[in-house]
Amino acid sequence: KNQVEQSPQSLIILEGKNCTLQCNYTVSPFSNLRWYKQDTGRGPVSLTIMTFSENTKSNGRYTATLDADTKQSSLHITASQLSDSASYICVVSDRGSTLGRLYFGRGTQLTVWP
Amino acid sequence: EADIYQTPRYLVIGTGKKITLECSQTMGHDKMYWYQQDPGMELHLIHYSYGVNSTEKGDLSSESTVSRIRTEHFPLTLESARPSHTSQYLCASSGDRDETQYFGPGTRLLVL
Repeated sequence: KNQVEQSPQSLIILEGKNCTLQCNYTVSPFSNLRWYKQDTGRGPVSLTIMTFSENTKSNGRYTATLDADTKQSSLHITASQLSDSASYICVVSDRGSTLGRLYFGRGTQLTVWP
Repeated sequence: EADIYQTPRYLVIGTGKKITLECSQTMGHDKMYWYQQDPGMELHLIHYSYGVNSTEKGDLSSESTVSRIRTEHFPLTLESARPSHTSQYLCASSGDRDETQYFGPGTRLLVL
């Protein structure tokens, strides 16, 4: 069964600190992996997309890593800000076609305190 | 910020009423999607469309229906709302360049 598991379920950190969110998946065959940020009451917004051959990708203070062999990904947030408080969702695609079917994790709820 | 819009943002309605959730995008995307999301849970695909006059059911069984008469418009209809339909409904679209889906702000539905 294709699944995406994220940990931790929730995380509280102080402003300015770094944190790392984890994503393990069993989706096969693998096409790509995305990290989305979902603010409360809003739709998800794409942060990064990684294909099989990519090990790391950065978007500002966000750095995603991918180990396709162990089927693990992480999202590292550097120097956290209050605006980083959101749910971070790992999404895996099992095909490169235009179908667009994706497997979603339940997200990690990050809270950044001042 | 993606050009995809959903109305209403919040809806409280009684059991048995017919409702239509609107979704429009101005990006010219052929593919559009409807997801259902409960608090703390993953998004579940309930409907998708490849283009005009093309609609398919998603992975999660839903009593809702959709239509795609125009590229930019993908409304979702519940003929008879029930409390079990209470949830957040997210609309998304994607283009041909990549599969990144752009989401609307969502509609939070409460059926009493």
